Amino acid sequence: LAKTTQPISMDSYEGQEVNITCSHNNIATNDYITWYQQFPSQGPRFIIQGYKTKVTNEVASLFIPADRKSSTLSLPRVSLSDTAVYYCLVGDAGRGSTLGRLYFGRGTQLTVWP
Amino acid sequence: KAGVTQTPRYLIKTRGQQVTLSCSPISGHRSVSWYQQTPGQGLQFLFEYFSETQRNKGNFPGRFSGRQFSNSRSEMNVSTLELGDSALYLCASSLEGQSTDTQYFGPGTRLTVL
Repeated sequence: LAKTTQPISMDSYEGQEVNITCSHNNIATNDYITWYQQFPSQGPRFIIQGYKTKVTNEVASLFIPADRKSSTLSLPRVSLSDTAVYYCLVGDAGRGSTLGRLYFGRGTQLTVWP
Repeated sequence: KAGVTQTPRYLIKTRGQQVTLSCSPISGHRSVSWYQQTPGQGLQFLFEYFSETQRNKGNFPGRFSGRQFSNSRSEMNVSTLELGDSALYLCASSLEGQSTDTQYFGPGTRLTVL
């Protein structure tokens, strides 16, 4: 089971760029890296997914180095509403199993201050 | 397209009772996963169903069970409830349950065991 390690918490101010790094030393060749966001009392919400190098969408960028043992979620110009828990997941295909083996971990609590 | 729905949203039970939670996935999604979220353990995978078959199972006791119907709707059951079962139970659906599939989470069912 491919596990991930993230900082427990991070603080930022409105308008700043936030980078959250995740370690996944045991990532397998076929694994993808996915990030989710969760607000209190809600289910997690998909943010971005990537395999290597850089992926960008309308809300975030994902940077993955060549060895893929870590990844960095970048949130540009955060606002108060970005205060949430961010989870880094690595897809573990395992013995033919698929999504069911995703490990959410404890995530990173991002707090954005005015 | 309607999102993932879970019923009930809140539930209060006493120790020893059993409970059934329901999840309706997004139309067309065949994979349904269940997660338990607690402040102490974070978000933990319970099991995943695909085409009415349990395909993956997390490390939970046999008191936790589930099933999926032909229309992909899923239920999970917890028997002989314990105080420690108090948690937010989240259901997520995806197209095929592949690790690259985006999971869409429901709002969760908040279970309180007294």
